[in-house]
Order: sequence, then structure tokens, then C-alpha cells
Amino acid sequence: GAVVSQHPSWVICKSGTSVKIECRSLDFQATTMFWYRQFPKQSLMLMATSNEGSKATYEQGVEKDKFLINHASLTLSTLTVTSAHPEDSSFYICSAGAGGIGWETQYFGPGTRLLVL
Amino acid sequence: ELKVEQNPLFLSMQEGKNYTIYCNYSTTSDRLYWYRQDPGKSLESLFVLLSNGAVKQEGRLMASLDTKARLSTLHITAAVHDLSATYFCAVDILGAAGNKLTFGGGTRVLVKP
Repeated sequence: GAVVSQHPSWVICKSGTSVKIECRSLDFQATTMFWYRQFPKQSLMLMATSNEGSKATYEQGVEKDKFLINHASLTLSTLTVTSAHPEDSSFYICSAGAGGIGWETQYFGPGTRLLVL
Repeated sequence: ELKVEQNPLFLSMQEGKNYTIYCNYSTTSDRLYWYRQDPGKSLESLFVLLSNGAVKQEGRLMASLDTKARLSTLHITAAVHDLSATYFCAVDILGAAGNKLTFGGGTRVLVKP
């Protein structure tokens, strides 16, 4: 149980284009979904937290107009990297929280590797 | 601001020997987690520690938590090559939008024959 999927697993795009990444909880309803970014040989940094039906909460330094998060249902959240640039190349990992707001256990997706040329 | 520090950042291990990874955090936390990450992969959950004095063991790995010292340790017993990976600790704190995880910098483990 508690499986989280991400799609696509990897994507290559040209600079200036937008890329959408999907995060789905397959066998549970997620009260909260989280988006992380990981640069090579670095740790995971939380980008934003989203609850279904409400606006995402972004961490300091994360541009909300560049990284659009939509949390349309209890099983789906999407991250759109708008006007991507090479510096946005990274490993993006989502997690889905189960157990009620404030007590979630986070289940991590397999990650999406983005390369912007 | 919560800070989570791991040390060492890199650990070269010899098979059969014991090692410890340390995780210090700066403020009171609700829970502490240990994860494993293989190259190119996402995180694999190892342990969640909920209270002071908690100890959990799985195979050659054992994690413990001292909330008073704000310290968790991950002890590796008789290291084997399969344990080569990067290990992260993470601390969560209840935020306005839900629990937020703050990760340590990671400890890259390489087990040599």
C-alpha cells in the first residue's frame, strides 16, 4: 500500500518551454502533497506544500509564478515548470501525505529527472 | 529556522566493520526519519522515530533517538556492499499547511570489500 507515482520519470526540454509533472497517490487519498527538488549530490529541498482545493504554500526563495502547483484532487497534484531554463534542471520528487493534516506520513514518488537544454 | 546536520558527509566503510552516522537538529521536532537513496532513485523509508529513547532495528541498521540532545544515530553493523547508498535523516515539524520535512545534507556511504 501507499504507492505514489510520478510521470514522466524523465524529461528533456528546450529552454523557454513549460514542463508538467504529475504526482499521483495510487491507493490512498493524500491530505497533503509536497514537492521537493534535489540537485546532484545535494539534499532534498522542499519547494512547496499543497492541500487539495487550496493554493500551494511555497517555501522562501521558490518562485510561485515559475513553479505552478495544482492540486485538483486528493490523488493528483501537478507541478508545472514554466519557461524552463538550464538552471531548473534537477531531480523533482513529490510526496503524498496520509494520516490527516498535521500527522501525515509522507510517501515518496520515484522522482522526475528534468534536463533543460 | 530548523537546521538538520548530518555527519560525516562521506563514509568509506570496510566490509564487516561497524560505523555510525549522526544527525543533529536544532529545534524540538515531532518525528525523525531515516531514508536511503540509491543513485538516480528516490527515497526509501528506513525508520521513523517518535519519542525519546526510541530504538529501531532492521537487519544491519539500527536507529536511535535522543530528543534531549536533539540527536539521532544510524548505526551500521558489519557493513556489506549492499549498504552503499546515501542516507538522509529528516525532521518534521507541524506547519500551517501540514507537516514539513527538513532534510539533513546526507551521508554518502561506500562499502569497500
